[in-house]
Amino acid sequence: DTGVSQDPRHKITKRGQNVTFRCDPISEHNRLYWYRQTLGQGPEFLTYFQNEAQLEKSRLLSDRFSAERPKGSFSTLEIQRTEQGDSAMYLCASSLGLATNEKLFFGSGTQLSVL
Amino acid sequence: GENVEQHPSTLSVQEGDSAVIKCTYSDSASNYFPWYKQELGKRPQLIIDIRSNVGEKKDQRIAVTLNKTAKHFSLHITETQPEDSAVYFCAASIQAAGNKLTFGGGTRVLVKP
Repeated sequence: DTGVSQDPRHKITKRGQNVTFRCDPISEHNRLYWYRQTLGQGPEFLTYFQNEAQLEKSRLLSDRFSAERPKGSFSTLEIQRTEQGDSAMYLCASSLGLATNEKLFFGSGTQLSVL
Repeated sequence: GENVEQHPSTLSVQEGDSAVIKCTYSDSASNYFPWYKQELGKRPQLIIDIRSNVGEKKDQRIAVTLNKTAKHFSLHITETQPEDSAVYFCAASIQAAGNKLTFGGGTRVLVKP
């Protein structure tokens, strides 16, 4: 599968613990996006990168959240001191990074459960 | 910011019938409108998209229409099949401003054989 891959698929953690997710975009895709999806809702934008630069962060991304894309390839999303409200599906998407004719392709997500 | 509303939230159709899902958006600067299909436990899959310089686009049994003046767009699925059962999401974005998609709340489509 040469699509967007995310790891792990599922993560169960206790409240207060830190978790880190990884996303590998489609190769040659310059843009990488993180979204959060709760049950029965559409995905909500969290942040995005153009190569290694983080260009925008949603107000949904509290100080406990940090994302990196150090070499412009894979990205990590870390949540510190997890809370039960963080339980959700975390989706990654990538695109070529063109100003026009853009299409976003999603990974299968990491399902986070905070107990 | 952009707000996208989607209706209906659930849709049940008989196999072979048509299904229509409608979305409205608030930001007149939005110029890209994709539709995603998400099956249970799977990734959202892009099924069709339309840009603001086009009023209609068709791909086999799927078509999307856009009314920029009214700020609404619709997905039409004809000759529905059981494998069309899924949750469908519409979205809107400004392509030159990072193409950050704002999604609607989703429509659960059930095609009854």
